[in-house]
Amino acid sequence: DAKTTQPPSMDCAEGRAANLPCNHSTISGNEYVYWYRQIHSQGPQYIIHGLKNNETNEMASLIITEDRKSSTLILPHATLRDTAVYYCIVRPVYNQGGKLIFGQGTELSVKP
Amino acid sequence: GAVVSQHPSWVICKSGTSVKIECRSLDFQATTMFWYRQFPKQSLMLMATSNEGSKATYEQGVEKDKFLINHASLTLSTLTVTSAHPEDSSFYICSAQDNSGGGTDTQYFGPGTRLTVL
Repeated sequence: DAKTTQPPSMDCAEGRAANLPCNHSTISGNEYVYWYRQIHSQGPQYIIHGLKNNETNEMASLIITEDRKSSTLILPHATLRDTAVYYCIVRPVYNQGGKLIFGQGTELSVKP
Repeated sequence: GAVVSQHPSWVICKSGTSVKIECRSLDFQATTMFWYRQFPKQSLMLMATSNEGSKATYEQGVEKDKFLINHASLTLSTLTVTSAHPEDSSFYICSAQDNSGGGTDTQYFGPGTRLTVL
């Protein structure tokens, strides 16, 4: 499975956009990019995923570069409740899906 | 969105006893579920893949006789920690894979179970 690289921590002001980068330079054509977040002492929460096109949902936007070697998760208006560890994971998709291998993620602190 | 529950949310037990943790997909069927363990200040570590109606597949280094997994239905998987010891104290989290459509098989996670072994 391809590995990802994320900064260990980031700060963001409340109300501003949070842009979380992820490098996945060895991603292959059949691997999706998934983003999850984990608020302290809770299970991870699914945010968004994509293959090669940019994606948007009610939680966030996912921007994937044309060469697919990196992506950015955008939280358009961060709130204090968005403080969490954010995980970028690449995952092969077969008939029954693939395992999720978690790295260390980015600890996002949203400050007032 | 898809909901996964775990029971109990926390448990305290004596050393040497066994503890069972349940994982349920509430609004979708899951032929595949996964069990993770997380120690303080660390990331999630995959323990095993649970497939409905068949034996679980364990990750390297995870003792299958100590961590018994049963996936008897499309909405329920159980993890039993047998003869628990203090070093088994951890946060156990399950996920269930939604194969219902879209082709991307997104995994949804339960809220986790905190196990403390005295």
